[in-house]
Amino acid sequence: GESVGLHLPTLSVQEGDNSIINCAYSNSASDYFIWYKQESGKGPQFIIDIRSNMDKRQGQRVTVLLNKTVKHLSLQIAATQPGDSAVYFCAESVSGTYKYIFGTGTRLKVLA
Amino acid sequence: DADVTQTPRNRITKTGKRIMLECSQTKGHDRMYWYRQDPGLGLRLIYYSFDVKDINKGEISDGYSVSRQAQAKFSLSLESAIPNQTALYFCATSYSGKETQYFGPGTRLLVL
Repeated sequence: GESVGLHLPTLSVQEGDNSIINCAYSNSASDYFIWYKQESGKGPQFIIDIRSNMDKRQGQRVTVLLNKTVKHLSLQIAATQPGDSAVYFCAESVSGTYKYIFGTGTRLKVLA
Repeated sequence: DADVTQTPRNRITKTGKRIMLECSQTKGHDRMYWYRQDPGLGLRLIYYSFDVKDINKGEISDGYSVSRQAQAKFSLSLESAIPNQTALYFCATSYSGKETQYFGPGTRLLVL
């Protein structure tokens, strides 16, 4: 089957630095992508999304970049804070199907 | 997300028992979903419902059933629980025409 970021790596960053979390997707038909943040003991929380007609979208302290050529998605967090510590995972979807394929995520650890 | 609630938050049961997990939402969304999350795997879709009269199987529906009692309520049942159904279970909602899904806090289920 198709997969989105099966491995769960850990990214450790110093407080105040920028973080970049990556995600690979494999379904070339996917045209909607979303990033979630999951803190320990909580449900996934929506961060930001992007459609395939864009290659960049910015939110508050977060930016998502989409590279359709290499099927790659990244989440950039500016000035990383301790509260950003969590697992981040991406999901892909084909518009109209309302079905996501989820990655396993990346654990972000913010060092004081 | 406080708009999506799940009960119970934690449950321990024995093999062969029937149990029900409940999900309620105040977001006014018409679409609801049940997922399970296992270590090392991405979220996997169990069942989904696009309105009260619509129920659809997801990728891992065997051993599960659902009931959409109202637009705001979607329950998941394990007819005869088995140990490999030990997992985190999440309910999610979305609005028709919008891609974004919003998750509840999850139910941690342990089947002995």
